[in-house]
Amino acid sequence: EVQLLESGGALVQPGGSLTISCAASGFTFSNYAMTWVRQAPGQGLEWVSAIGSSGGKTYYAGSVKGRFTISRDNSRNTLYLQMNGLRAEDTAVYYCAKMPKYHFDYWGQGALVTVSS
Amino acid sequence: DIVLTQTPLSSPVTLGQPASISCRSSESLVHSDGDTYLSWVHQRPGQPPRLLIYEISKRFSGVPDRFSGSGAGTDFTLRISRVEAEDVGVYYCVQTKQFPLTFGGGTKVEIK
Repeated sequence: EVQLLESGGALVQPGGSLTISCAASGFTFSNYAMTWVRQAPGQGLEWVSAIGSSGGKTYYAGSVKGRFTISRDNSRNTLYLQMNGLRAEDTAVYYCAKMPKYHFDYWGQGALVTVSS
Repeated sequence: DIVLTQTPLSSPVTLGQPASISCRSSESLVHSDGDTYLSWVHQRPGQPPRLLIYEISKRFSGVPDRFSGSGAGTDFTLRISRVEAEDVGVYYCVQTKQFPLTFGGGTKVEIK
């Protein structure tokens, strides 16, 4: 059974940093691209970042480019999102999702990141 | 960036009746490999999204056959043949043809 478990969500002050993780199980992690999607309170879904299966290719939304860094450790079956220069508008539930070819087939339960003083 | 416009914003439906959601793209979603990368996801209240349909019309594992997708190029439709109580929530179309990946604004389905 495919499982994706996010962790590391927290309350952070504006300008602060945070790294969230997504632990994967039930599939061969190193064979698949992975992605982060976020959802601000009461809002729709917003794609944040994606990474290729080997970690060699990364992609970012314009709203986070230069502030967020996606990475993965295939030996630990874990996906990461390092977030720097956090702003109030980054407050959201962050979901990781598995990406076979060109769609998101499995999603995690989400990690809440709150940026507030 | 590719913009996806969903209509309607909200759809009150009667149990057992059909429902239809439209998703229009600002440009063609046909990839250079010939496939069209338009998916539909469903999010129940308080739950993470889950995949329903990918590549316009392919139902994901475990998705009931009352859900179907159609369309081509820039215009796509998700249909529910007979709405059940568990179908409430918000439906999003999403394009994965090119980065940045983008979602439609969502359509809320509720029972009358």
